[in-house]
Amino acid sequence: EAQVTQNPRYLITVTGKKLTVTCSQNMNHEYMSWYRQDPGLGLRQIYYSMNVEVTDKGDVPEGYKVSRKEKRNFPLILESPSPNQTSLYFCASSPYEGSWHNEQFFGPGTRLTVL
Amino acid sequence: DAKTTQPNSMESNEEEPVHLPCNHSTISGTDYIHWYRQLPSQGPEYVIHGLTSNVNNRMASLAIAEDRKSSTLILHRATLRDAAVYYCILRRNTGGFKTIFGAGTRLFVKA
Repeated sequence: EAQVTQNPRYLITVTGKKLTVTCSQNMNHEYMSWYRQDPGLGLRQIYYSMNVEVTDKGDVPEGYKVSRKEKRNFPLILESPSPNQTSLYFCASSPYEGSWHNEQFFGPGTRLTVL
Repeated sequence: DAKTTQPNSMESNEEEPVHLPCNHSTISGTDYIHWYRQLPSQGPEYVIHGLTSNVNNRMASLAIAEDRKSSTLILHRATLRDAAVYYCILRRNTGGFKTIFGAGTRLFVKA
């Protein structure tokens, strides 16, 4: 089944404790992206990646890092989480943007609480 | 950055058509207009997208204004399962591939 998976689905942590949220897709997509969703603000893009070793900032990259060492994986790293990073996070992937058929497939979400 | 503006909420009766508007007055020539919807406790799912011409698929139709400054998602016969938040999105290719979400429209469907 074609899908985007995220782990963990739920995480409660404390300020300053480094964490990684993993994202994996099995559709051989070049493009992957991370979003955060907060009440009243909709989804905001954190980082995206056009392909292996190619990443770029979205609208809210502060406090986050990403890496794209393999095509299927795009982990989101919070080196020193703070309470304002408490949010619902979504990973998404899509085929290379040059195609007309560039639907984004979203993962199920990771709910992160930073105390 | 180009932004989209949508009504916060809309209401529809079951079995009736629904027209969900989106304004994107600062859209650029390379921006595609996408629509996604998010059901409760799920990630967003793709609905439809277009560039200049109107588009139809099994889920919905997308009507794009001639000047591309607005678009309308049309659900031809709303069902209770269509109750969701609908996002109008611009996907651009200017120095990268940012995706800009609006705040979305929460659609309520009455039986």
